[in-house]
Amino acid sequence: AQSVTQLDSQVPVFEEAPVELRCNYSSSVSVYLFWYVQYPNQGLQLLLKYLSGSTLVKGINGFEAEFNKSQTSFHLRKPSVHISDTAEYFCAVSGVGDYKLSFGAGTTVTVRA
Amino acid sequence: DGGITQSPKYLFRKEGQNVTLSCEQNLNHDAMYWYRQDPGQGLRLIYYSQIVNDFQKGDIAEGYSVSREKKESFPLTVTSAQKNPTAFYLCASSTNRGEKLFFGSGTQLSVL
Repeated sequence: AQSVTQLDSQVPVFEEAPVELRCNYSSSVSVYLFWYVQYPNQGLQLLLKYLSGSTLVKGINGFEAEFNKSQTSFHLRKPSVHISDTAEYFCAVSGVGDYKLSFGAGTTVTVRA
Repeated sequence: DGGITQSPKYLFRKEGQNVTLSCEQNLNHDAMYWYRQDPGQGLRLIYYSQIVNDFQKGDIAEGYSVSREKKESFPLTVTSAQKNPTAFYLCASSTNRGEKLFFGSGTQLSVL
């Protein structure tokens, strides 16, 4: 089974500042990794995913994440945030070829002017 | 437009009552999922289905039931055996294993 730990439950940040959301995973098999974003009272939408290949993954809205197998991490970064990035962010993991996706508890990002 | 439709958006359940949440997709996806979201706990998998007429329990299936009679539909019934049903319920679908999930906009279930 796989599991995910998101190390920060709340991240306040000023507009145009950089942000990093930390995610560690646990698995005994090879994994796929994902970051999803949820705006208030909505479903989730995919920001980016790592399936294989380059460990630096670029996603939508200027976000990127780096897969680090030795540290079992998949941290999400954005160099300059906007007010519209205020949302909850979820890291998720699945075993390669597995239908089941396990989510972290989420990190709430609040961007202030 | 293709997508996933969940209804109703808000639902209230009385004690001892079963309620059914609807999930329909027109994306031609084989796999469908139900997740429960509670504040500070992320999403937990209730049931998932890889193909029509087949489904598997997730991590918190007790007190819930599902059916998958059509590829497009995956309704979730919250039974009276579920003692703490108040939560935000999300339905999702995907094409293949490991591919991204497409989510509906959710149903907020509350107990009267």
